[in-house]
Amino acid sequence: EAQVTQNPRYLITVTGKKLTVTCSQNMNHEYMSWYRQDPGLGLRQIYYSMNVEVTDKGDVPEGYKVSRKEKRNFPLILESPSPNQTSLYFCASSPGQNYGYTFGSGTRLTVV
Amino acid sequence: ILNVEQSPQSLHVQEGDSTNFTCSFPSSNFYALHWYRWETAKSPEALFVMTLNGDEKKKGRISATLNTKEGYSYLYIKGSQPEDSATYLCAFAGNQFYFGTGTSLTVIP
Repeated sequence: EAQVTQNPRYLITVTGKKLTVTCSQNMNHEYMSWYRQDPGLGLRQIYYSMNVEVTDKGDVPEGYKVSRKEKRNFPLILESPSPNQTSLYFCASSPGQNYGYTFGSGTRLTVV
Repeated sequence: ILNVEQSPQSLHVQEGDSTNFTCSFPSSNFYALHWYRWETAKSPEALFVMTLNGDEKKKGRISATLNTKEGYSYLYIKGSQPEDSATYLCAFAGNQFYFGTGTSLTVIP
C-alpha cells in the first residue's frame, strides 16, 4: 500500500531532551515536507526537500533540523525541544508541485 | 510569508444544500493550487491540483475552478451530505508551498 509512515503517533517529552520523528514513504516521491498544525494557524511548513541531500527552510524552521540521506526517509529532529514546539506534526510527500501531497498520520508532540 | 486566505472560516449547511467556498492567493509566482479535504482525526487528502488559468476539476459532487489572473479558486459541493463534513484546505504552490487555514464545513442531516 502506498503510504507515508510517521512515528511515533504520540510523544510526551521534557524540555531539552533531543528527539527524532521519523518519516518514510514507499512511493519513490522526490518531494518531502514537514508541517506543524496549531489552532487558528493552519498548516505551516517547517522544512522541505526536493531531492536527496537537498533541504530548504520553510516558514517556521527555528528549533528544527532535517536530513534527506535517502529518498524514502525524511526525519525531523528537535535538538532541544521547548514547550512552544508542542504541536501536531505532519510529514508529506509528493512526486512534485503539480501533484497532491500524501500525508502521514501525524505525530502529536507535547513538550513539558 | 505569503497570504493564502480562505472564506468563510466555517459553514453549516443542511443536507442536500449546495455550497461553495473561496481560496484567495497571490497572482504572482503561481505554479499550482491544491485543494485538500481533512476529516477530524485523519490526515488531509488531496482533492484537486490545478495549474492553468480557467482550469475546472470535478470529482463526484465536488468541483473546483481556478482564476490565476485575479488570484482565487472556488470549491463547490453539490447536494451536500453529512459525510462531506470536514475542513477543506487550499494550498498555493509557488516558490514555496503555503496552506490556507481552511473552511470547516458541517452538513446537518
